[in-house]
Amino acid sequence: AQRVTQPEKLLSVFKGAPVELKCNYSYSGSPELFWYVQYSRQRLQLLLRHISRESIKGFTADLNKGETSFHLKKPFAQEEDSAMYYCALTDSNYQLIWGAGTKLIIKP
Amino acid sequence: NAGVTQTPKFQVLKTGQSMTLQCAQDMNHEYMSWYRQDPGMGLRLIHYSVGAGITDQGEVPNGYNVSRSTTEDFPLRLLSAAPSQTSVYFCASSSQGVNTEAFFGQGTRLTVV
Repeated sequence: AQRVTQPEKLLSVFKGAPVELKCNYSYSGSPELFWYVQYSRQRLQLLLRHISRESIKGFTADLNKGETSFHLKKPFAQEEDSAMYYCALTDSNYQLIWGAGTKLIIKP
Repeated sequence: NAGVTQTPKFQVLKTGQSMTLQCAQDMNHEYMSWYRQDPGMGLRLIHYSVGAGITDQGEVPNGYNVSRSTTEDFPLRLLSAAPSQTSVYFCASSSQGVNTEAFFGQGTRLTVV
């Protein structure tokens, strides 16, 4: 079955520390993977997608097909990174399948 | 550019009442969808539409109806509200394609008492 797993409901790190938000997926085929972010009182929005291979707000994510993972990383966390982060993949019908989300708290 | 407009932002219903959540987008997107967000469960797809006149069920469709008479609008109807439908509801739209970005409304926090 197609599934996206984010094992951490809550992740709390200090400002300036590295951040890694974990995402594992189960999908029969070549997945298209995304990270979405929801800042406080804002709507859910795209952070980055794996096909773009881009860095957004200092975040990167690498698709590891062997480990079926798409972890989100940032070397130095900032307070404004505090938000809810969702990993998602698109299935063959273009529908998004979502992880449960990880709440990231950056402590000053 | 308004993007996806979702109303209302908050609603309290009594069990058995009906209501419609409105969603409109001005990006000429073919694909629209409704999700509910519950703690620890991520976003679950209720209904979706790939174009005007075409709708289909998602993962959790029971208790909800949708219609898509125009490209812009995709309302979600709760026929007879139940406490289990207490949730945050999100409408989203995107153009067709595997790698396209989904644009979301601000969400509706619904409480059924």
